[in-house]
Order: sequence, then C-alpha cells, then structure tokens
Amino acid sequence: EAGVAQSPRYKIIEKRQSVAFWCNPISGHATLYWYQQILGQGPKLLIQFQNNGVVDDSQLPKDRFSAERLKGVDSTLKIQPAKLEDSAVYLCASSLGAGGNTEAFFGQGTRLTVV
Amino acid sequence: GQSLEQPSEVTAVEGAIVQINCTYQTSGFYGLSWYQQHDGGAPTFLSYNGLDGLEETGRFSSFLSRSDSYGYLLLQELQMKDSASYFCAVRNDYKLSFGAGTTVTVRA
Repeated sequence: EAGVAQSPRYKIIEKRQSVAFWCNPISGHATLYWYQQILGQGPKLLIQFQNNGVVDDSQLPKDRFSAERLKGVDSTLKIQPAKLEDSAVYLCASSLGAGGNTEAFFGQGTRLTVV
Repeated sequence: GQSLEQPSEVTAVEGAIVQINCTYQTSGFYGLSWYQQHDGGAPTFLSYNGLDGLEETGRFSSFLSRSDSYGYLLLQELQMKDSASYFCAVRNDYKLSFGAGTTVTVRA
C-alpha cells in the first residue's frame, strides 16, 4: 500500500514570496490533515479536511495561508506571502476517518526555509 | 482552550523502563494516541486509548485515566533505536492535536 506522498521535500524561498505544497493521501482515506512542525516542537494542526469539507482551520493564518482539497483526494497548501517565522516542516497526514481509534499516517513532509 | 503537557526530555540506559506522562485539558475528548518520531522522520502511530486502562503492544504500553485527564506511555527493555521524540495526541471533536513531545535519549 502506497503511503502519503508529499512534494517537494525541500523548499527555500525569500520572505514575501509565495510557495505551494502538494499532498496525495492514502487511497480511500477520507480525512486529510496539514500540520506545521517548527524545529523542537510538536506538530500544530493547521487544517483538517473530511472528504472535501473543512473540519477545522482554527489555527490556519488565513491572511496568508490557504488550503484546498479538490474532489476529496489530493490537497495543496499555499503560503502567500511567506514570513521568516513560516520556516518549518509541513506535514500532511491522512486517516480512514476522524473517529477515535483511527491511525493517522504521515508523509515525509516538506521542509520550508524562508530567508 | 486545549492543552497537552508532557516532559520535554528523558534519558535512560539500554534495558531500562521509561514512563512518559501526558496530562490534557480539552473538550469533546474521544481518546489519547501516542506517536513516535525519529530525527528527520515522519511521526508514526504507536497506540491509542479510548477507554480507561492499559493497552499493551510488545515492549510499549499505554494507559489512560479519563477521570484524571491523564495518560502515559511505558517503554520497556529500552533499545538504542527507541531514541526518538514521543508525542501524545488527543482526539477531540474529530480533530487530532499533538503535544510538544518528549525527547527520549537511550544511552549504552
């Protein structure tokens, strides 16, 4: 079974530029998550989709971040314009559902450096 | 609001037992999960507790007390490969939210 695919693996941009990350979840997984993980910290939930609807985006900085999940399958996360504090690893995860005992599978992440 | 607290670091020798505690405050609590993350790697699922009590999976066990809003992960017979960060994560209102993580360092 293929895992969660993310691209690119690494990205370096200048502040005020824009960047987009792509995620393809495990086939059949209805729930998709985007997390931001700053070095030394735990993953912070940015947005959670159930199929193509948003379950939670309370911690998404909506003035600069946007995300979509077209047709309830793959997803893109965009940052425009980027700030220095956006430097982090962006992790995508998916799970069969959003119920209690539902394991989330993570991709390898995109390491973003904003200079 | 929501909060999860766990110790930042634990160091132990090979063969030892380590317990990582996690206390949480949240509404709409469903259950507590544990994930492992090696340096540069992705988090991977270890265990889930939805009901009070102990769940055992090989060398790892996890415990939950819903009345105390408390859980722990027990790592037994520590091996060098267990050096990693361990995160508790709560399922609440269908969201999956992580703590800050505990870095476990295993010494020879």
